[in-house]
Amino acid sequence: GENVEQHPSTLSVQEGDSAVIKCTYSDSASNYFPWYKQELGKGPQLIIDIRSNVGEKKDQRIAVTLNKTAKHFSLHITETQPEDSAVYFCAALRGYKLSFGAGTTVTVRA
Amino acid sequence: NAGVTQTPKFQVLKTGQSMTLQCAQDMNHEYMSWYRQDPGMGLRLIHYSVGAGITDQGEVPNGYNVSRSTTEDFPLRLLSAAPSQTSVYFCASSHEALASFNEQYFGPGTRLTVT
Repeated sequence: GENVEQHPSTLSVQEGDSAVIKCTYSDSASNYFPWYKQELGKGPQLIIDIRSNVGEKKDQRIAVTLNKTAKHFSLHITETQPEDSAVYFCAALRGYKLSFGAGTTVTVRA
Repeated sequence: NAGVTQTPKFQVLKTGQSMTLQCAQDMNHEYMSWYRQDPGMGLRLIHYSVGAGITDQGEVPNGYNVSRSTTEDFPLRLLSAAPSQTSVYFCASSHEALASFNEQYFGPGTRLTVT
């Protein structure tokens, strides 16, 4: 099955700085790559996604890049704010099955 | 819309007991799924369903059963609880099959402890 690795496991940034989270996947048939944000005590919520035929996508302060050849994709958050503090998960879809990375705990320091 | 609802929020079971985790959605979504979340391991797919009457296994199906008799409900049954099933369980749904790249909505989770 698909194996998704996510780095780093924890990330502490100063408010206003950028945060970058990187993921790699193993199955070249994976074709959809969503990113989720999970706040304490809640379920994950989709923040951005990218399909395999697109190299980059941006939504305000959040952007995702995909390198299909290298099988890796990244989440970029610019101008971080305290409300960006949460656990972030990357995922890869193959068929009907979504495989998740282990998560990155992001802490934004005021 | 209430979205995806899960009951109970918390549950403690003894080893060997059985129980059903409930999941319902009111968005008329065809695709529903169950995940478990363990520290340091992200979310792992247990079972999924692409429509009423259709279910299939995910990554970690052993020890769990599911059924999908209606579009709205997708219960997860633990047949004989084991300490290894201590986890947080999330139900999720999306419009049409997930393979169509539709956003997946997650419920608030059920925290299960097996002693």
